[in-house]
Amino acid sequence: GENVEQHPSTLSVQEGDSAVIKCTYSDSASNYFPWYKQELGKGPQLIIDIRSNVGEKKDQRIAVTLNKTAKHFSLHITETQPEDSAVYFCAASKDNAGNMLTFGGGTRLMVKP
Amino acid sequence: DTAVSQTPKYLVTQMGNDKSIKCEQNLGHDTMYWYKQDSKKFLKIMFSYNNKELIINETVPNRFSPKSPDKAHLNLHINSLELGDSAVYFCASSLTGELFFGEGSRLTVL
Repeated sequence: GENVEQHPSTLSVQEGDSAVIKCTYSDSASNYFPWYKQELGKGPQLIIDIRSNVGEKKDQRIAVTLNKTAKHFSLHITETQPEDSAVYFCAASKDNAGNMLTFGGGTRLMVKP
Repeated sequence: DTAVSQTPKYLVTQMGNDKSIKCEQNLGHDTMYWYKQDSKKFLKIMFSYNNKELIINETVPNRFSPKSPDKAHLNLHINSLELGDSAVYFCASSLTGELFFGEGSRLTVL
C-alpha cells in the first residue's frame, strides 16, 4: 500500500519567515495530494491540494509543488504569522474522491512572534 | 450549524467496557469516514461508508463496528475496550476530494 513520509516533524520559524514542509510517497499511481492544517483541539482542515496533472499551485501565502518523477511534494508558507502555528499533514491518494487518503506523520509548525 | 458533529467530545471509561461515538453531517455528502489519531498525531483511516454501504474497512479489530442508519450518520461502537484504544477518533465526510472533519472524540481507557 501507499506510504507517505513527512519531514520535519517539528519546525520553528520567526514570524515573517518562510516555512517548508516536505513529503515523499511510495505509490506512483497516487494522483491527488492534499494538505491539511490541524489547530489545537480541532479536526484537520483542507488548506490546499494539488493533482498530478500540475506541478505547482498557489493560494495567497501558501503554495504546493509536486515532483511526480521523484515522488515528492512540498508545502511552502511565506510571510508566516502566529496564526499559522498548527500541525500540518500531507496526504496522498489514488482517487480524486479522497476515499483512500494516506496521511503523513504531521509537522508541528511554531511561528514565534 | 456545525457541518460535521460528533458526540461525545470526551469519553473516559474502564477496560472491558463497551462505548459508542455518534457522528452526523449536514453537508449532504455521500461518503463518511472514521479516522483514528494516536498520541503521536498519526492519522489513520478505519472505515469508509458511501450511501450507508461499507466501502473501506482497514485492518481494525472486529471489536470496532461502524453503523450507518442513513447517509447523514455514521456511528462507531467499540466492544471490550483496551488500553491501546485510547486515541482521538475523528469522523469526516466528503463529496469529492475534500474531507470535512468533526472536532474529534477523545477516548481514554483506564
